[in-house]
Amino acid sequence: GAGVSQSPRYKVAKRGQDVALRCDPISGHVSLFWYQQALGQGPEFLTYFQNEAQLDKSGLPSDRFFAERPEGSVSTLKIQRTQQEDSAVYLCASSAHSGGPADTQYFGPGTRLTVL
Amino acid sequence: AQSVTQLDSQVPVFEEAPVELRCNYSSSVSVYLFWYVQYPNQGLQLLLKYLSGSTLVKGINGFEAEFNKSQTSFHLRKPSVHISDTAEYFCAVFRSGNTPLVFGKGTRLSVIA
Repeated sequence: GAGVSQSPRYKVAKRGQDVALRCDPISGHVSLFWYQQALGQGPEFLTYFQNEAQLDKSGLPSDRFFAERPEGSVSTLKIQRTQQEDSAVYLCASSAHSGGPADTQYFGPGTRLTVL
Repeated sequence: AQSVTQLDSQVPVFEEAPVELRCNYSSSVSVYLFWYVQYPNQGLQLLLKYLSGSTLVKGINGFEAEFNKSQTSFHLRKPSVHISDTAEYFCAVFRSGNTPLVFGKGTRLSVIA
């Protein structure tokens, strides 16, 4: 079956531009996660949704980062006024249930954002 | 806060040789431990996880890991590697009651023919 998909796969933005990154989770999955992976680092948690509710946004690095999942399926991560330090791969993951340790997270291929 | 340390950033190994990728975690409470693999231009894929019970966990593609509470380690092993195992491997921890997975920095495994 279809896995987690993300679009675009690559995005180049000029400093100061706004960007929107899309995540299509596995159909029916309750939980959705966003991670940021800087070059040479492991993924770092950004935010977590259970259905349409954003239950944890403690990892968002600044108020320029905003995520939504209005209908409990597709999610969008928006970055306003992009800065060079925002350059990274943004990973989306979904899981079938509440996102606990026994609930496997399935990852998309990521969106590589480059801010010039 | 919980954290994960992967002791080797790169591990080169010859094909059909055994390999061990090391992972240590810091925690004073129960943890749940994971190994993920990331192939080039692909998302992370779960290899195996330790939740409870037997400390020796078997995963996909012939990998296994052993949870050692006294040494706070969760090393990943494979007795004989293939070229196709070349990838980035991430250890991660999930502490009870805390939603996010916390990942290590990764170990790049390069299998040499």
